[in-house]
Amino acid sequence: AQSVTQLDSHVSVSEGTPVLLRCNYSSSYSPSLFWYVQHPNKGLQLLLKYTSAATLVKGINGFEAEFKKSETSFHLTKPSAHMSDAAEYFCVVSLGTGGFKTIFGAGTRLFVKA
Amino acid sequence: DTAVSQTPKYLVTQMGNDKSIKCEQNLGHDTMYWYKQDSKKFLKIMFSYNNKELIINETVPNRFSPKSPDKAHLNLHINSLELGDSAVYFCASSQDSLGGRFSGANVLTFGAGSRLTVL
Repeated sequence: AQSVTQLDSHVSVSEGTPVLLRCNYSSSYSPSLFWYVQHPNKGLQLLLKYTSAATLVKGINGFEAEFKKSETSFHLTKPSAHMSDAAEYFCVVSLGTGGFKTIFGAGTRLFVKA
Repeated sequence: DTAVSQTPKYLVTQMGNDKSIKCEQNLGHDTMYWYKQDSKKFLKIMFSYNNKELIINETVPNRFSPKSPDKAHLNLHINSLELGDSAVYFCASSQDSLGGRFSGANVLTFGAGSRLTVL
């Protein structure tokens, strides 16, 4: 069975400091993993995806995530937070065998203080 | 040019009414979805259509009826609206193919959402 757990419901950082949003997954198959961002009153936008190529994945807006199979983790990081990064972030696992099973984590709300 | 567009953006209605939300994608994707996002931001899939064929139908009351006239459109009709139906409904699409071939890593493109408020 597949599942995805975002370990923090809220994360608060100061502008210019690093961001770490944690995600653990469970999957019986080799998963595809994604991070999506949702700004207030907007739809979700893809930040980055992992599909069994390089384990360190670079996304948009300076975000990156590292796939660690031994830890079943896919944490999202950014070296320096910007005010515009304040949003809801979703970790997603997808079963990539032609099926359409996509499971969203509960989301992590990122607050950025000036 | 909006890739996935849904209308209306906001919908306020009384309990017991029937309403529809429309969705269109111009990406040429094979698969379309409806998701419901509750007040705690939790996203739950409701339906998925691949080339007009229903392929995912989660545990959703049968007051909700999706309709896909062609692969670029997926509409959602809701009968006898209840207070608990208040949520943001997101349409999405992806370039996947039914038939066992995995493609595109199931990247979803979302619409901007339709906020439904039932009074």
